[in-house]
Amino acid sequence: DIQMTQSPPSLSASVGDRVTITCRASQTIGRHLNWFQQKPGKAPKLLIYDSSSLQSGVPSRFSGSGSGTDFTLTISSLQPEDFAIYYCQESYSYPLNFGGGTRVEI
Amino acid sequence: QVQLQESGPGLVKPSQTLSLKCNVSGASISSGSSYWTWIRQPPGKGLEWIGRIYSSGTPHYNPSLQSRIILSLDTSKNQFSLRMSSVTAADTAVYYCARDRYGRSDFWGQGTLVTVSS
Repeated sequence: DIQMTQSPPSLSASVGDRVTITCRASQTIGRHLNWFQQKPGKAPKLLIYDSSSLQSGVPSRFSGSGSGTDFTLTISSLQPEDFAIYYCQESYSYPLNFGGGTRVEI
Repeated sequence: QVQLQESGPGLVKPSQTLSLKCNVSGASISSGSSYWTWIRQPPGKGLEWIGRIYSSGTPHYNPSLQSRIILSLDTSKNQFSLRMSSVTAADTAVYYCARDRYGRSDFWGQGTLVTVSS
């Protein structure tokens, strides 16, 4: 199995801040990396796929980068609706594991 | 617009079998290039990938659950199902169904809470 490790587990930020979340895979996964946002009581929402492709309808302040084992999700200017938990997921090999999540708090 | 909706009992007794269905609208589960996925989330914890089944009926399971789960398609009802046997309290979670296309889960159900308790 490929293990996905996110950091930090949580962070505090203010509206307008630039926020970066990292995700590390235990072995190389190419660019097969997705990012999801989850708000309380809701299903996760796909933000980024294939490491850097923005899902339709997702604001352009979200961006992703990386390949191999190291990936980042960046929010260029944090908005009030962005306070949530963010998960990475590898889509390279079974089982398609998720990272442990990063909680973005005010 | 693709929509998914989970259904099933909210309470299951320990050692019994959990059965959930996911009804799909806006897409055919038998069309090519789509996988139909189950993911769960214990209360207050992270996401766990359970498995997925291709539109042809070929399943892929998480090895940690493989001995207890079966995924299946019902093309006549355009729905897919999860059966998990020998459940314990550790299986208490919100269960989500989702569509996977080209390596990404782009549409999700709202989730259904299943509690394992006597």
